[in-house]
Amino acid sequence: DAKTTQPPSMDCAEGRAANLPCNHSTISGNEYVYWYRQIHSQGPQYIIHGLKNNETNEMASLIITEDRKSSTLILPHATLRDTAVYYCTGRGNTGKLIFGQGTTLQVKP
Amino acid sequence: GAVVSQHPSRVICKSGTSVKIECRSLDFQATTMFWYRQFPKQSLMLMATSNEGSKATYEQGVEKDKFLINHASLTLSTLTVTSAHPEDSSFYICSARSPSGTGGSYNSPLHFGNGTRLTVT
Repeated sequence: DAKTTQPPSMDCAEGRAANLPCNHSTISGNEYVYWYRQIHSQGPQYIIHGLKNNETNEMASLIITEDRKSSTLILPHATLRDTAVYYCTGRGNTGKLIFGQGTTLQVKP
Repeated sequence: GAVVSQHPSRVICKSGTSVKIECRSLDFQATTMFWYRQFPKQSLMLMATSNEGSKATYEQGVEKDKFLINHASLTLSTLTVTSAHPEDSSFYICSARSPSGTGGSYNSPLHFGNGTRLTVT
C-alpha cells in the first residue's frame, strides 16, 4: 500500500480554487488514488478517485501526474463549508485504505 | 446511494463494561467492512477488516479479544469493546465498499459511517 505525503495545512480564499497536492511515489501500478475529507467529528467523506487518467465529478477534479508519483485535488470554487482535513490514500491488493496525516484546508472569507 | 449508518453516535460507559457499536450498509450489501479508530488531532487508524460469515482480520497491535467483531449479515457488522477502560475512549468509524464505481467493484470507493464517540469514565 502506498505511503502518501501531504502538506499539513493550507489556506484558500473563498471562491478561489483550492489545489491540494499529494505525493505517493511508492504507489504500485494497479493501485488507485483516493481522496477523502473529514469535517470535525464526522466520518470521512469520499470525494474522488482515479488510476492514471484525470477525473472530474461534481465535487472536484483529480489530476494525476504521468508517472503517477503525485496527484492534485482541485476544488474549483472553495466555500467555507470546504474547510476540512483532506486525505489522499492509495488502496492496493489488500483492499485497505491506510490514511496519512492529511492536509487541513482552511477556507477564509 | 451508498449510505453507511453507525449507531450509537455517542456513548458514555463506565470502566469495565462492554459497549457494542453497530455499522449498517443501508442500500447495498457489503461482504467486507473496515473498522477504524481515531484519537483527537490524529489520523484514522485501521483496526480490523470485517468479513461476512468469517473471522475478522486484525491489524498488528490490535487486541482481537478486546475488540470483538461480528459480521453476521451482508448489511451489518458490530464492534464490541469489551471491558472498556478510559484509554479506549476514542472515535470509532466503520466503512464499507460500495458495489460499483470507476474501475469495477474491487476499486469502488469505501463509504464511511458518521462515527461513534466512545467515552469511558
